[in-house]
Amino acid sequence: DGGITQSPKYLFRKEGQNVTLSCEQNLNHDAMYWYRQDPGQGLRLIYYSQIVNDFQKGDIAEGYSVSREKKESFPLTVTSAQKNPTAFYLCASSIGFRQNKNIQYFGAGTRLSVL
Amino acid sequence: GQNIDQPTEMTATEGAIVQINCTYQTSGFNGLFWYQQHAGEAPTFLSYNVLDGLEEKGRFSSFLSRSKGYSYLLLKELQMKDSASYLCAVKDDYKLSFGAGTTVTVRA
Repeated sequence: DGGITQSPKYLFRKEGQNVTLSCEQNLNHDAMYWYRQDPGQGLRLIYYSQIVNDFQKGDIAEGYSVSREKKESFPLTVTSAQKNPTAFYLCASSIGFRQNKNIQYFGAGTRLSVL
Repeated sequence: GQNIDQPTEMTATEGAIVQINCTYQTSGFNGLFWYQQHAGEAPTFLSYNVLDGLEEKGRFSSFLSRSKGYSYLLLKELQMKDSASYLCAVKDDYKLSFGAGTTVTVRA
């Protein structure tokens, strides 16, 4: 079963704590992305990666960090510097920027709340 | 910068047609996507337009006019399961920029 798996589905963060959201894909996609979704707003890009060992900041990278050590995995860490982390976090992947269409496919999301 | 506008909410009756408009002003353009998102779930890909004109896929069609910075998604023969949020997204070289989404409610 090919797809994108995000875990956990729900996550709670305590004050001053770093938390890591997992994203794994078995679609053999080169590119991966992290978005944040808040009520009444569009998806906003946090980080993206075109290839293993490379990643770029998106529009709202402050307070977040990522790594891309394996093609299949693109974990997102929400650091204590992110003062308003409560949101729905979506991971996506796509074949890569060599393909013009480059459709992004999404995981089921992680809902992060602050305790 | 990117500016993508779509209506916040629309309501229609089962079996009817609904048209969701999207206007955009973006620094680059390399295609326009429509996604469907049910509450609390992942967005799923519906359609892609890069050239002007209409793309039809079953009950769903999408139209693009690049000169006007305008697209619409047409949903025909509405079903209850079509109640969802519909996201318009514009692609530049590497990234998608999303509108806030249009919540469509289908009533019996």
